[in-house]
Amino acid sequence: GDSVTQMEGPVTLSEEAFLTINCTYTATGYPSLFWYVQYPGEGLQLLLKATKADDKGSNKGFEATYRKETTSFHLEKGSVQVSDSAVYFCALSDRGGSSGSRLTFGEGTQLTVNP
Amino acid sequence: NAGVMQNPRHLVRRRGQEARLRCSPMKGHSHVYWYRQLPEEGLKFMVYLQKENIIDESGMPKERFSAEFPKEGPSILRIQQVVRGDSAAYFCASSPPSGTTREKLFFGSGTQLSVL
Repeated sequence: GDSVTQMEGPVTLSEEAFLTINCTYTATGYPSLFWYVQYPGEGLQLLLKATKADDKGSNKGFEATYRKETTSFHLEKGSVQVSDSAVYFCALSDRGGSSGSRLTFGEGTQLTVNP
Repeated sequence: NAGVMQNPRHLVRRRGQEARLRCSPMKGHSHVYWYRQLPEEGLKFMVYLQKENIIDESGMPKERFSAEFPKEGPSILRIQQVVRGDSAAYFCASSPPSGTTREKLFFGSGTQLSVL
């Protein structure tokens, strides 16, 4: 079945540092790929997405490129802020079948940014 | 436009009691999904419902768990005879009925279930 593997956390950075959170996936079809962010005590919010190979999703300074050849969707940000501290989840959605928008999530990566 | 509303925010139950978790999807959304987040883990799919229909319940435990999404009112996730292992955050998400926007899920803030 489909699966998503994220780099293990937690990740601790200083403000303005460069961020990379690795994500690789296994899927039988042609999935859409997502990054969700979960701030403390809140539900998940969609951060960005990409629906086909070589697409780049971007939002709030975060970027991720859908790499079919390496089955990856790594999240990057050039300069993190304290307010970026949260848990980040990589996810995929298999657009085929009858399961609607069912998502398969990675384990999540806790990011802490220190001033 | 209100987002996905879940209640209660926190629910405490003793072993053997029943837990009822409610989810009101966003206005105009007819698809509801339930996910469970165990401590230190990612979200795991439980069930996908449309109005009055269960579409995919492949992630639901075989016993004690049930879900419904009636024609009127919120979706309900029901856990009978709760055990300590049921302690988790339960998230509901909704999506529009059709088209490519169906891929975008909107999540509620979750219900934290604690079983004593």
